[in-house]
Amino acid sequence: QKEVEQDPGPLSVPEGAIVSLNCTYSNSAFQYFMWYRQYSRKGPELLMYTYSSGNKEDGRFTAQVDKSSKYISLFIRDSQPSDSATYLCAMSATGQAGTALIFGKGTTLSVSS
Amino acid sequence: GAGVSQSPRYKVAKRGQDVALRCDPISGHVSLFWYQQALGQGPEFLTYFQNEAQLDKSGLPSDRFFAERPEGSVSTLKIQRTQQEDSAVYLCASSFSGGGYTFGSGTRLTVV
Repeated sequence: QKEVEQDPGPLSVPEGAIVSLNCTYSNSAFQYFMWYRQYSRKGPELLMYTYSSGNKEDGRFTAQVDKSSKYISLFIRDSQPSDSATYLCAMSATGQAGTALIFGKGTTLSVSS
Repeated sequence: GAGVSQSPRYKVAKRGQDVALRCDPISGHVSLFWYQQALGQGPEFLTYFQNEAQLDKSGLPSDRFFAERPEGSVSTLKIQRTQQEDSAVYLCASSFSGGGYTFGSGTRLTVV
């Protein structure tokens, strides 16, 4: 079993839909949680960065962390075709420089107009 | 520069050939990581530099992989005697301190 599990999809939704992306993890030491967006043939781009449990909102994006369930989510409201990409969750035990991130496989999202 | 720059963008190597992949991080970024991303997978950690010091190389898959950052800025990942299983995208990421990193677009290595 991998430390971080993420359903690879693909996930297809119509424009304007609310999208829910999720990851589960097994290492209870993880404290820092990130979501990255990766367009085809590009590097991952940081979308959300959260510490410990709770919610964080940034525009159309909301990140949720439930440490008791070892479950994190990313919600995208009013999805747009430009949101079509692969979404990677990542996590680490510390936020210190030099801490390697553990990534999920990524979920491929397609938003149709 | 404005972002993390990697070159070449694409590299085709014959099995057994040596390759060198370059990463030019954001100016002033102390931390530099190399990750390997196989097709359909998330990035996996290879090695970490703080300035010129290689502090963690636990993710390097074999002694054919070698990385350096001699002056604390540009880094090179070298793979000797490439094999087909080395085919992947090699990503470089940098940051000033902890937190989220800025990734480059990667080098796509295909070993034939």
